[in-house]
Amino acid sequence: EVQLVESGGGLVQPGGSLRLSCAASGFTFSSYWMSWVRQAPGKGLEWVANIKQDGSEKYYVDSVKGRFTISRDNAKNSLYLQMNSLRAEDTALYYCAREYFWAREYWGQGTLVTVSS
Amino acid sequence: QSALTQPASVSGSPGQSITISCTGTSSDVGGYNYVSWYQQHPGKAPKLMIYEVSNRPSGVSNRFSGSKSGNTASLTISGLQAEDEADYYCSSYTSSSTPWVFGGGTKLTVL
Repeated sequence: EVQLVESGGGLVQPGGSLRLSCAASGFTFSSYWMSWVRQAPGKGLEWVANIKQDGSEKYYVDSVKGRFTISRDNAKNSLYLQMNSLRAEDTALYYCAREYFWAREYWGQGTLVTVSS
Repeated sequence: QSALTQPASVSGSPGQSITISCTGTSSDVGGYNYVSWYQQHPGKAPKLMIYEVSNRPSGVSNRFSGSKSGNTASLTISGLQAEDEADYYCSSYTSSSTPWVFGGGTKLTVL
């Protein structure tokens, strides 16, 4: 059974940093592109970033470029999102997702990031 | 404002069919067959319902179907059931600087 479990969310002050993790199991992690998608409270979905199987390609939504870094450790079956210079508008539930044929096939339950003073 | 435009809400009675539209441009929906649809129940993670415009993942009911015409993609749900009441989001690849975009979401109410 495919499982994606996010962790690392919490309350952080504006300008602060957080590192999100996503532990994957039930599939060959190194064979799939992986994504982060976020959802602000009461709002819609926003794609944040994705990363190729070997980490050689990474893409970001414009609003996080230069502040967020996506990475992965295939030996640990883990996906990460390093978030720096956090802003109030980054407050959201962050989901990791496994990609499949240009779509997000499996999703975790999300980890909540709140940016507030 | 979302890059893809969806109606804020649609409704239908049990047994009826409804269609949710997702309008983009030639740089996204119209230019690529990489449109996907997601269902999200309150407090739950999204679930993939359609990928590559019209393909259903294993386990998704054949009451759900997808199509595309020009710059508009559509999700049709036939034989509406109470459990279909949820938010639905479309997504597309785009040639812009942000490669993936979602629609603003559509709330489906089963009357």
